[in-house]
Amino acid sequence: DTAVSQTPKYLVTQMGNDKSIKCEQNLGHDTMYWYKQDSKKFLKIMFSYNNKELIINETVPNRFSPKSPDKAHLNLHINSLELGDSAVYFCASSRDSGQGADTQYFGPGTRLTVL
Amino acid sequence: AQSVTQLDSHVSVSEGTPVLLRCNYSSSYSPSLFWYVQHPNKGLQLLLKYTSAATLVKGINGFEAEFKKSETSFHLTKPSAHMSDAAEYFCVVSDPHGNKLVFGAGTILRVKS
Repeated sequence: DTAVSQTPKYLVTQMGNDKSIKCEQNLGHDTMYWYKQDSKKFLKIMFSYNNKELIINETVPNRFSPKSPDKAHLNLHINSLELGDSAVYFCASSRDSGQGADTQYFGPGTRLTVL
Repeated sequence: AQSVTQLDSHVSVSEGTPVLLRCNYSSSYSPSLFWYVQHPNKGLQLLLKYTSAATLVKGINGFEAEFKKSETSFHLTKPSAHMSDAAEYFCVVSDPHGNKLVFGAGTILRVKS
């Protein structure tokens, strides 16, 4: 069974559209994340949720809105897509053991192309 | 503030020869450090993790890394490269809770036959 899954794997859309990327983890983890990997392969955290509550928001434009319906899901909705949003988006999850840095497990990524 | 510098953007080795991927970190507190690998068009896989236990950390696929506080380094090594090791490798530093990972720019490893 896939531990962290994302849908869709590829997403091609026009500027100005609104789109969503879904993420699910079956590891029983408490914390989930969204990362953006740009064309130069640089990875940067966007958001983090712990038990459905936002704990990290890295000055991402408010066109990006994460939604966590339950602790196993963290979806990313993007409004008014721009060319610069083209990237690979990775979802990740980790336990919240309270005993130092827990390992984050990454999904396979969603390649978003905005035309 | 935390940061990671991967000293080489590309490393090329011959199959069967040693691999060295260099990483220096900067952290305001005792860091947790990771190496992740990304194969082409794939997700990220954890290779190994340091969290203030033994300074020499063994990971998967024969990789290991040594934490050297005096040099603020966490270099990744493997005694003998295999063709399947060709990928991009990311050195990562974390805050103490592990919520915020800061990634290096990545090192692309090429393995020649």
